[in-house]
Amino acid sequence: GENVEQHPSTLSVQEGDSAVIKCTYSDSASNYFPWYKQELGKRPQLIIDIRSNVGEKKDQRIAVTLNKTAKHFSLHITETQPEDSAVYFCAASSAGGSYIPTFGRGTSLIVHP
Amino acid sequence: DSGVTQTPKHLITATGQRVTLRCSPRSGDLSVYWYQQSLDQGLQFLIQYYNGEERAKGNILERFSAQQFPDLHSELNLSSLELGDSALYFCASSVAPTVVAYEQYFGPGTRLTVT
Repeated sequence: GENVEQHPSTLSVQEGDSAVIKCTYSDSASNYFPWYKQELGKRPQLIIDIRSNVGEKKDQRIAVTLNKTAKHFSLHITETQPEDSAVYFCAASSAGGSYIPTFGRGTSLIVHP
Repeated sequence: DSGVTQTPKHLITATGQRVTLRCSPRSGDLSVYWYQQSLDQGLQFLIQYYNGEERAKGNILERFSAQQFPDLHSELNLSSLELGDSALYFCASSVAPTVVAYEQYFGPGTRLTVT
């Protein structure tokens, strides 16, 4: 089955800095990679996703890059704000796996004002 | 608000007991997924139902079972509860995935505490 590794487990930045979270996956058949943000005590919410037919996707201050050859993908957050503080989960899925996501262990992002 | 509802919000029960968690998907979504989130295991997929039928199974214990009813709401039954079953249980829904992945919308979760 799929295995997703996520690093770092904790990331502490100053407001205005950039933050990068990296994930690797094992199943070359995976072709859909969502990122979820989970604030304390709240539900996970999709913030951005990427499919394997593109290498990069941007949405305002958030971007995701995908390297299919190396089987890794990354989340980039620019100009971080205190409200970006949360746990971020990457995931990977494929049609063969019924698009059930395998999640990484999460990264706790702390943005200091 | 994702449109997915879960009840109850909190549940405290004793070891050996049985509980039922309920989920109503977003209007129009046919697929329901159940996840368990614990500190040491992260977010783990348990089971998926699509239009009343079991579609995929993950790391779901034999003591756990689920079903999806004709009105598309779903229930997750946890029996012979152990301390280790204490966790946050999320339900998510999506439009039926076919050859393209669809976004999953998560409910607010049910926090289960087994004492």
